[in-house]
Amino acid sequence: AQSVTQPDIHITVSEGASLELRCNYSYGATPYLFWYVQSPGQGLQLLLKYFSGDTLVQGIKGFEAEFKRSQSSFNLRKPSVHWSDAAEYFCAVGATTGFQKLVFGTGTRLLVSP
Amino acid sequence: DAGVIQSPRHEVTEMGQEVTLRCKPISGHDYLFWYRQTMMRGLELLIYFNNNVPIDDSGMPEDRFSAKMPNASFSTLKIQPSEPRDSAVYFCASSPDRGTSYEQYFGPGTRLTVT
Repeated sequence: AQSVTQPDIHITVSEGASLELRCNYSYGATPYLFWYVQSPGQGLQLLLKYFSGDTLVQGIKGFEAEFKRSQSSFNLRKPSVHWSDAAEYFCAVGATTGFQKLVFGTGTRLLVSP
Repeated sequence: DAGVIQSPRHEVTEMGQEVTLRCKPISGHDYLFWYRQTMMRGLELLIYFNNNVPIDDSGMPEDRFSAKMPNASFSTLKIQPSEPRDSAVYFCASSPDRGTSYEQYFGPGTRLTVT
């Protein structure tokens, strides 16, 4: 079964600075990978997804993520953070053979300082 | 498409009362998921359906919880009797059937408070 780890519970970044949120997965093959964002009081919104092909994927709101097979990682990045990016970010992994539920990480809360 | 619709958005009830949460998935999606989110336990999958049939209910905490999906456009999650420890945000999500895991689309959630 697949699993996912987000090692950082909280991260604080200054507005305008770059951001990288870490995600490591465990799966026997190349999985499907997702990043979701949850703003306070809201549901989860899909930021981006990786299924195959180019290992650098672009998402909404200026986010991107890079799949690195050798490191079993799918880190989320943004070159310049805005105050509105303050939210909780969830990485998720899904199997690619036979339907299985997505497995979500525990989330990373992003705080943006002025 | 209107997205996943959940009602009510907020529910406050007293311990021992029955609570029913409702969900309308995105039209054409074959999978429906119920999650619970708390500060202590994070996001937990309670149960999911495929073509209105429950597939995995191993996350349902106990017999007080039940879920149904009578048709492709409606699902309910019922708690009877409710307890203060059931206080949480309950999310419904739906997903198209592509044969393997696919992205899920979440509703806005129902914030349940049991006093």
